Amino acid sequence: ETGVTQSPTHLIKTRGQQVTLRCSSQSGHNTVSWYQQALGQGPQFIFQYYREEENGRGNFPPRFSGLQFPNYSSELNVNALELDDSALYLCASHPTGGEQYFGPGTRLTVT
Amino acid sequence: EDKVVQSPLSLVVHEGDTVTLNCSYEVTNFRSLLWYKQEKKAPTFLFMLTSSGIEKKSGRLSSILDKKELSSILNITATQTGDSAIYLCAVNYGGSQGNLIFGKGTKLSVKP
Repeated sequence: ETGVTQSPTHLIKTRGQQVTLRCSSQSGHNTVSWYQQALGQGPQFIFQYYREEENGRGNFPPRFSGLQFPNYSSELNVNALELDDSALYLCASHPTGGEQYFGPGTRLTVT
Repeated sequence: EDKVVQSPLSLVVHEGDTVTLNCSYEVTNFRSLLWYKQEKKAPTFLFMLTSSGIEKKSGRLSSILDKKELSSILNITATQTGDSAIYLCAVNYGGSQGNLIFGKGTKLSVKP
């Protein structure tokens, strides 16, 4: 157990809807990174938050957005869901530049 | 384009065998290479390697980085059925603090 938690565990949404995923980081970690893992692929970097500011972004469109709160927990929001957004969404917390510890993930299915 | 390539993509062995998983990378501003084990959902951290030629060991697992060859290997000796998992290699590269690029993973199946 890493101490990183995510909610919900899984959910089903319809194309065009919006979704919010949540992550609470491990104690002492000020950085949270979000990843999307499609079936049979390695995780792909979405973005990272450090001290409540976005600190880097991968090749994901603006409809993927996030927040980090003063307690370092974080949210990932996805608007206008598409079928290809179906994936496992992982968050990882870490000290800056340190090894990343992953939460159990949220399985999102878009129909 | 930055990339991480793992081989083989899948591997079936019997209990007691020794396996070697490979990871090669092409990234700008390399910082470290990490290995993770993914059984169901959350990848669990195994090793972080920053220096070439220094082996990291944990029980039956060991790993080493070769910065000249831009590669790393993960060895598992005396495999057990509980070692069955996807093993992910990731590289921490420059740009933003701590971003990781992952390979596709190696799916290891250990038969009794």
